[in-house]
Amino acid sequence: AQSVTQLGSHVSVSEGALVLLRCNYSSSVPPYLFWYVQYPNQGLQLLLKYTSAATLVKGINGFEAEFKKSETSFHLTKPSAHMSDAAEYFCALRYGGYQKVTFGTGTKLQVIP
Amino acid sequence: NAGVTQTPKFQVLKTGQSMTLQCAQDMNHEYMSWYRQDPGMGLRLIHYSVGAGITDQGEVPNGYNVSRSTTEDFPLRLLSAAPSQTSVYFCASSPTSGDRREQYFGPGTRLTVT
Repeated sequence: AQSVTQLGSHVSVSEGALVLLRCNYSSSVPPYLFWYVQYPNQGLQLLLKYTSAATLVKGINGFEAEFKKSETSFHLTKPSAHMSDAAEYFCALRYGGYQKVTFGTGTKLQVIP
Repeated sequence: NAGVTQTPKFQVLKTGQSMTLQCAQDMNHEYMSWYRQDPGMGLRLIHYSVGAGITDQGEVPNGYNVSRSTTEDFPLRLLSAAPSQTSVYFCASSPTSGDRREQYFGPGTRLTVT
């Protein structure tokens, strides 16, 4: 069965520091992977997606993620955190040709001034 | 395009009451889905539809009904509300072909059942 695991329900970083949010997946076939961001009291917005074209994926707001098949990981990074990055981040997996998407439990990012 | 719209934004129900959460999209997407979001549990799929007239159950369907009579609309019905259904509900849509198959989310409906 397909699944997504996000390590760390809360992550705190200082403004200007590296952001690293971890996501591991389980899938028996090549997955489509996504990162979404949710700001308080809003819906989810797509940050970036992996669709097998390139293992390093760049998204909006300076975020990027690298697909590592050997580690079954799709960690999200940003070189320098900004106060506006404070939000909840969700990793998600779509299974091959299916439309259903499985979400991780989310990681809340706090940015400390 | 308005994207995905949901009404109402907030709702308070008493136990046993019924109601319908509305969802509409104007992107001509075939796939639509309903999720509930609870603290520490991420988003869980309630029901989904791959086109008009076709619906199926997701991970947590009990207590909810859906129908899809048009491409645009995908309402979620709570048959007899229970406190366990207190949650934030999100509707999402996506195309079923092409590379751009990411989901587009509505702003959510915050439901409280007392």
